[in-house]
Amino acid sequence: KQEVTQIPAALSVPEGENLVLNCSFTDSAIYNLQWFRQDPGKGLTSLLLIQSSQREQTSGRLNASLDKSSGRSTLYIAASQPGDSATYLCAVTVGTYKYIFGTGTRLKVLA
Amino acid sequence: DTGVSQDPRHKITKRGQNVTFRCDPISEHNRLYWYRQTLGQGPEFLTYFQNEAQLEKSRLLSDRFSAERPKGSFSTLEIQRTEQGDSAMYLCASSLTGDNSPLHFGNGTRLTVT
Repeated sequence: KQEVTQIPAALSVPEGENLVLNCSFTDSAIYNLQWFRQDPGKGLTSLLLIQSSQREQTSGRLNASLDKSSGRSTLYIAASQPGDSATYLCAVTVGTYKYIFGTGTRLKVLA
Repeated sequence: DTGVSQDPRHKITKRGQNVTFRCDPISEHNRLYWYRQTLGQGPEFLTYFQNEAQLEKSRLLSDRFSAERPKGSFSTLEIQRTEQGDSAMYLCASSLTGDNSPLHFGNGTRLTVT
């Protein structure tokens, strides 16, 4: 059974810091991994999708890496801003379509 | 692209009542998902449609839950005889078929059962 763990559960950093969020999964047989952002009371917004054959994806100040063999992914946020404050969730596929989510990391960037 | 739309945004109901939620996916998306999220947790998979066919239903979904997607367009999720434990955010997501197609979520329906 696929299980997804995110560490830390919460993180508070001063504005401008670079930071890394971690995601680990127990079964390396995944099709892809997605990182999402969720603001309070809202749905999830897709940030980056990494296919199983890829090692990393970049979008603006965000960089996500994937190491299937070790069951790990990281989301790197450069030069953090207060607007980055949100919960960040990772999800991996089980089979070709079903996503299993972690419990998320609550990020607070202090001005 | 108007995004995934869910209605209503909030629903308060008394225990034992039936409720129905609606999801309108992005128009060209043939995959549609329902997830449930409780406070402090990640979304939990409930069910999945490929076009109009319901291909998987989680064991989390008791017989009181039913979902439909007539004609492969919008979808409805009905909960019969609601219980307090059903209180949660119900999220709908859609995507194209394919390994590199990201999930697009709606803003969810928050259900409170009193």
